[in-house]
Amino acid sequence: QVQLVESGGGVVQPGTSLRLSCAASGFTFSTHGMHWVRQAPGKGLEWVAIIWHDGGAQYYGDSVRGRFTISRDNTKNTLYLQMNSLRAEDTAMYYCARGIVGPGYYFDYWGQGTLVTVSS
Amino acid sequence: ETVLTQSPGTLSLSPGEKATLSCRPSQDSSISNLAWYQQRPGQAPRLLIYDASTRATGIPDRFSGDWSGTDFTLTIKRLEPEDFAVYYCHQYGSAHRFIFGPGTKVEVK
Repeated sequence: QVQLVESGGGVVQPGTSLRLSCAASGFTFSTHGMHWVRQAPGKGLEWVAIIWHDGGAQYYGDSVRGRFTISRDNTKNTLYLQMNSLRAEDTAMYYCARGIVGPGYYFDYWGQGTLVTVSS
Repeated sequence: ETVLTQSPGTLSLSPGEKATLSCRPSQDSSISNLAWYQQRPGQAPRLLIYDASTRATGIPDRFSGDWSGTDFTLTIKRLEPEDFAVYYCHQYGSAHRFIFGPGTKVEVK
């Protein structure tokens, strides 16, 4: 069965960096676009970034562009999110999700999330 | 840039009642370009409906999605205790953007 397991969250100070990982299993990782979606405490869902199945393109939400980098290693079935220059407003649960292109576009599987807290 | 408006913000209903949730995009898009997710407290979101009206694998048939001509709707025919949760709509926007609505909370009356 499809599994996505995030790791790497923690408590960090503003201005520092953190790298999140998402280990995928149960499907052919290299054939799917992958995403990071975050949720600040008590708030709604915010899309963060997408990477194409082959890593050939990446796109970002406005609030993280230039600070975050999404990447993947298809030999290790792992998705990453490098987060630099972290701010208090980046505090959130970070989910990885698998993207599916059909007539529409949707996220069919989600991990359980990893919590990032940015605080001095 | 497309904005998704969900209404109502909170829906207070009793188990067994019918719930109707709305999601209105600010810009025209394909009528297939809409998904719904359920998020229970402390859990990750779960896909319910994709392509506006197709139930995801394992989703009970009391959940249905539709397009009214102006709004996308999610209907829960008869609320079960486990259906009290927050529901988000989601659309693929232009320029590789992915947009979520602010959510509708379905709570016990």
